[in-house]
Amino acid sequence: KNQVEQSPQSLIILEGKNCTLQCNYTVSPFSNLRWYKQDTGRGPVSLTIMTFSENTKSNGRYTATLDADTKQSSLHITASQLSDSASYICVVSPYNQGGKLIFGQGTELSVKP
Amino acid sequence: SAVISQKPSRDICQRGTSLTIQCQVDSQVTMMFWYRQQPGQSLTLIATANQGSEATYESGFVIDKFPISRPNLTFSTLTVSNMSPEDSSIYLCGSKNRHTDTQYFGPGTRLTVL
Repeated sequence: KNQVEQSPQSLIILEGKNCTLQCNYTVSPFSNLRWYKQDTGRGPVSLTIMTFSENTKSNGRYTATLDADTKQSSLHITASQLSDSASYICVVSPYNQGGKLIFGQGTELSVKP
Repeated sequence: SAVISQKPSRDICQRGTSLTIQCQVDSQVTMMFWYRQQPGQSLTLIATANQGSEATYESGFVIDKFPISRPNLTFSTLTVSNMSPEDSSIYLCGSKNRHTDTQYFGPGTRLTVL
C-alpha cells in the first residue's frame, strides 16, 4: 500500500534555530516528491519539488533532500522565523496515476520568540 | 502558478441540508480535484472533476453524497448532500495542468454541520 509517514508529529523550536522534518514513503515508482507548507486556514503551498533522480533542492531557507534508495526525504529549515509556524506536508506523486497525490499527515511546527 | 479561490470560505449548516462549494481558477487547467481535510489530518482526495463528463470518485466517496460539476476549464463545484455532523471538515479544491508537476490548492471551505 502506498503510504507517506512524517515525523515528528509536532515540533516547537525557538526563533532563529534550525530544524529538520522527516518523511518516509513506500510509494514506488513515483514521479516526484514535494514539500508543502500549510498555514492555518489556508491551502497548502508548494515549497520544493524533486524528481526521482534529484538529491537536494533549496528554496531560500528551506532545503529538501531525497534518498530514493532508503525512501526517505527531509526538509531542513534554517534560521527559523515566527512566520514558519505552520504544518509541513510531504506529498508523493505515484508514477503514471494521473496527477494523484499521496499525502503525509504533516508535521505541525511552532516557532516561539 | 495558478490562483484558486473558493466560495464560501466557511459555513455553518443544519444536518439534512446541502451545501455547494465553488472553485474558480484564474487560468485554464487540465485537472481539478476536490479534497477533504478533517481536523488535525492531512488531505484526502474525494474525486477528480472531469470537464464534460462525470467525476472520478475515490474509494469511500460516492456521487450521490458529493455531486461534482465542471462546466469548463476554470470552474468546478462540489455539493455536500444531506449533511451530518461527520461531514464537518475543510474542503479544498486543487488544480494541475497535465504537463506540469505542481498542484495548486485553494484556501479551503470550512464546513460545520450542527
